[in-house]
Amino acid sequence: AQSVTQLDSQVPVFEEAPVELRCNYSSSVSVYLFWYVQYPNQGLQLLLKYLSGSTLVKGINGFEAEFNKSQTSFHLRKPSVHISDTAEYFCAVTAQQGAQKLVFGQGTRLTINP
Amino acid sequence: EPEVTQTPSHQVTQMGQEVILRCVPISNHLYFYWYRQILGQKVEFLVSFYNNEISEKSEIFDDQFSVERPDGSNFTLKIRSTKLEDSAMYFCASSVGIGSPLHFGNGTRLTVT
Repeated sequence: AQSVTQLDSQVPVFEEAPVELRCNYSSSVSVYLFWYVQYPNQGLQLLLKYLSGSTLVKGINGFEAEFNKSQTSFHLRKPSVHISDTAEYFCAVTAQQGAQKLVFGQGTRLTINP
Repeated sequence: EPEVTQTPSHQVTQMGQEVILRCVPISNHLYFYWYRQILGQKVEFLVSFYNNEISEKSEIFDDQFSVERPDGSNFTLKIRSTKLEDSAMYFCASSVGIGSPLHFGNGTRLTVT
């Protein structure tokens, strides 16, 4: 079974500042990793994914994440945030084999202040 | 870009009533899912569906829940006798296959009174 821990439930940041949202996972098998974003009153939108290859993956809206197998982490970063980045961010994992059930973290609410 | 569509966007029902939440997955996708998100909590897996049968389900998905793909395009979640604790946002998702990201709909907010 897999589990995901997002260490910060809320992250307030000033506009144009950098941000890092932390994600750690636990799994006895190899996994694929994802970050999803949920804007107010909307569904979940894929930001980026790690399947294999380079451990640094780039996604939409200037976000990137780095897969660190030894630390079982997949932290999300953005060098300069905008007001429009205010949303809930979810880290998720799925086992590489078997049914593709996504296991989500608790979510991190990112609030951008002017 | 093709998207997953869910109807209705809001559903209010009385405790004990049956509800059917509807989803139209992306047309060439083969795997279908239902998730739910109780207000303020994490997104939880309910069930996955492939090749016209349930491939995995969570403990939440008890006998009160069922899923169906009645035709080539719709994927439904039925709750037979709703309880207050079923109030949540229900998300449908679909994917092409293993390793492919899930594409989510905008959800149906179910309120049980």
